[in-house]
Amino acid sequence: DGGITQSPKYLFRKEGQNVTLSCEQNLNHDAMYWYRQDPGQGLRLIYYSQIVNDFQKGDIAEGYSVSREKKESFPLTVTSAQKNPTAFYLCASSITGITEAFFGQGTRLTVV
Amino acid sequence: DAKTTQPPSMDCAEGRAANLPCNHSTISGNEYVYWYRQIHSQGPQYIIHGLKNNETNEMASLIITEDRKSSTLILPHATLRDTAVYYCIVRVYGNTGKLIFGQGTTLQVKP
Repeated sequence: DGGITQSPKYLFRKEGQNVTLSCEQNLNHDAMYWYRQDPGQGLRLIYYSQIVNDFQKGDIAEGYSVSREKKESFPLTVTSAQKNPTAFYLCASSITGITEAFFGQGTRLTVV
Repeated sequence: DAKTTQPPSMDCAEGRAANLPCNHSTISGNEYVYWYRQIHSQGPQYIIHGLKNNETNEMASLIITEDRKSSTLILPHATLRDTAVYYCIVRVYGNTGKLIFGQGTTLQVKP
């Protein structure tokens, strides 16, 4: 089945540690995105990539880093520089130029 | 991208039509209206989008006013599984794909 997969679903980390969230898609989409959602809030864009080996900062990129070495993969690293990393992280993909985006089921990150 | 305004919450009786309004008074001529919904703790799901004509698919209907300053998402026969947060978004078709989400409307479908 085609889709977008995020893993793990729940992730716990100690404060000060970097952590990498996985996002894989087999939809052959060129564009991929990372969003953050806090309780009771809408989604905020962290990073997006329209093509392999290229990505741009979204509205809240500070404390995060990404890579896009393969079309199907867009991992997000939450660094120790992110002040409030505990949140629900959502990955999405779309065909560039056609904006219907498909979302993964999310990773809930808790930093203690 | 234009800003949207939605009521924070709405109730609907099961089996009845749910009509979710959205105001987008600053929408530009090349901006489409998109609707997504998010069931608790899941990723958002695409529902429908349109430019100026009314649209219908297997999930819902989208009614856009003639001046395009507002729209209504209609779920014709709401079920308990339609309980979710519904987001109305306006953006340029064919852009980078960025979707700017607002607070959305929490729809509670009641038995």
